[in-house]
Amino acid sequence: NAGVTQTPKFRVLKTGQSMTLLCAQDMNHEYMYWYRQDPGMGLRLIHYSVGEGTTAKGEVPDGYNVSRLKKQNFLLGLESAAPSQTSVYFCASSYSILETSGRSKPYNEQFFGPGTRLTVL
Amino acid sequence: AQKVTQAQTEISVVEKEDVTLDCVYETRDTTYYLFWYKQPPSGELVFLIRRNSFDEQNEISGRYSWNFQKSTSSFNFTITASQVVDSAVYFCALSEASEYGNKLVFGAGTILRVKS
Repeated sequence: NAGVTQTPKFRVLKTGQSMTLLCAQDMNHEYMYWYRQDPGMGLRLIHYSVGEGTTAKGEVPDGYNVSRLKKQNFLLGLESAAPSQTSVYFCASSYSILETSGRSKPYNEQFFGPGTRLTVL
Repeated sequence: AQKVTQAQTEISVVEKEDVTLDCVYETRDTTYYLFWYKQPPSGELVFLIRRNSFDEQNEISGRYSWNFQKSTSSFNFTITASQVVDSAVYFCALSEASEYGNKLVFGAGTILRVKS
């Protein structure tokens, strides 16, 4: 298993350009997340997905869009890149567990990809 | 709202010294999880430990130990006999549980520099 992979590893954009970051996981996880890491601020959640076809906003969603057309992929798009979006982007995934009640809930540990370093000039 | 505070921005120690990284959290949830991650200079996030809110036992793993105290909302991490390879950024994180996914709230991180 490759786990969680991210493409590309590095990218340099000019202001106003668009791009898509790809996150792929081969663990059949239901939940996927996009974070950004900035100096002195830890990681902050951008968007997340609880299953194929569903996405939700995190703490810092502005300027980003996401799509989850396939269970194994979670795409993060920047329509018009800005220098403030210079950051390291991490994708993560987690699976669900079945409670004795029969209800499904997310497992509490997330598995992270290696990160994508994006610079916007 | 949930919050994680790592008050120590940067710590420098000499090899073989013991070092403690502090983590204080805020949450209204009664069920939650706390994590520590290590980010070495190569940049990836390395999972170190997960602790749930119902388990206050301290844990030791080799040179690493963790002290969880609900009374003070702290989850501190100690490295005994530090080594140069311990140099990294360490993040404490809190899991916000919901049916929509366990979103992680991270502290700002502590940079640990271990000098030989």
